[in-house]
Amino acid sequence: KAGVTQTPRYLIKTRGQQVTLSCSPISGHRSVSWYQQTPGQGLQFLFEYFSETQRNKGNFPGRFSGRQFSNSRSEMNVSTLELGDSALYLCASSLLGGGRTDTQYFGPGTRLTVL
Amino acid sequence: QQQVKQSPQSLIVQKGGISIINCAYENTAFDYFPWYQQFPGKGPALLIAIRPDVSEKKEGRFTISFNKSAKQFSLHIMDSQPGDSATYFCAASMEAGTALIFGKGTTLSVSS
Repeated sequence: KAGVTQTPRYLIKTRGQQVTLSCSPISGHRSVSWYQQTPGQGLQFLFEYFSETQRNKGNFPGRFSGRQFSNSRSEMNVSTLELGDSALYLCASSLLGGGRTDTQYFGPGTRLTVL
Repeated sequence: QQQVKQSPQSLIVQKGGISIINCAYENTAFDYFPWYQQFPGKGPALLIAIRPDVSEKKEGRFTISFNKSAKQFSLHIMDSQPGDSATYFCAASMEAGTALIFGKGTTLSVSS
């Protein structure tokens, strides 16, 4: 079974621009979560989607948004980019979005650099 | 507010030695405690996980010890190998498969 895929793998943008990142979960997985990884703050939860609905949101400004499509694929969008948004953005999928035997599987991430 | 504290930040261990990484959490509502391993250029991969109703879980060379009263858990890597050199993250969540709160990570280097 193919793992979680993320596109693009690398992205360079300038301040003020907006960016859209894409995530395809493992086939059959219904939940997609997004995380931001930086050297200073580590791995931080952004938001989680299940059946096209945002179920949970981390402590990030409204410039960060996302959505999930009916095929469980997800996109996240960052508007008005700031230098501090430079990070590795990770997508994780899980089968049920919660449950005793459920697990989050991570993709390789998209490396975003804001100049 | 950091809800999961991890130490040490970096660790150097000789081949064949034991690597120990510690984590402490604050929220008693957490019910799932996984450890993830991350290699450069890759996403984190689940290594082993435990729930509060179990004090220890072992999978191969990897063991999690859990102390519910102290709100602490640790990862032990027995017979550490150079291939174990990676960054290790502890995490906690309310339920498996849901939002993870991560520790800051430990960079492990196993010297041959």
